[in-house]
Amino acid sequence: DTGVSQDPRHKITKRGQNVTFRCDPISEHNRLYWYRQTLGQGPEFLTYFQNEAQLEKSRLLSDRFSAERPKGSFSTLEIQRTEQGDSAMYLCASSPPMGPNTGELFFGEGSRLTVL
Amino acid sequence: KQEVTQIPAALSVPEGENLVLNCSFTDSAIYNLQWFRQDPGKGLTSLLLIQSSQREQTSGRLNASLDKSSGRSTLYIAASQPGDSATYLCAVNVIKAAGNKLTFGGGTRVLVKP
Repeated sequence: DTGVSQDPRHKITKRGQNVTFRCDPISEHNRLYWYRQTLGQGPEFLTYFQNEAQLEKSRLLSDRFSAERPKGSFSTLEIQRTEQGDSAMYLCASSPPMGPNTGELFFGEGSRLTVL
Repeated sequence: KQEVTQIPAALSVPEGENLVLNCSFTDSAIYNLQWFRQDPGKGLTSLLLIQSSQREQTSGRLNASLDKSSGRSTLYIAASQPGDSATYLCAVNVIKAAGNKLTFGGGTRVLVKP
């Protein structure tokens, strides 16, 4: 079990460019989450998948943001036409199917985005 | 809307002293509460998960209590060490059916001085 893996760890881009982040959850975890964390704040929920279905999206997820989990395994988060306000750490987490430890989320190392 | 508050925002203690970190939440109808550790520039490491039916959880030097009726949780770290320096975050899960969406506090930044 290698844990939740995120790529890239760091991304610097110019305003207006598109960026894509990838998340590989812990194997057999059917639930996958994206959160955003700005400096000095706690993470904020963006969106959630159960298998390949995107079940909930936060109002923070503007139409420039899109997330997919096509085969119920890895997920991608794309930001189009990036703005300086998108600069943040993007965290991915996964959790197992219902069971004794239901509800425990396991986070990756995050992808830090800097928009110049 | 659930709001989670962690006070103080920062804490500095000498090595060996016990740490007491507080977390409060406004809606007591929670499914569980999770404490995390975050090192600078890193992701979150899960420390303890307390289900709503539990009063406390322990792991090594860490002990977390939960009082749903008063909307409070406390994380105790015994005999602190410089390696405990990090930001500690608490998060509550209020939606069982919709898949464990967490609401986080702002964190407490801890510095343990040698």
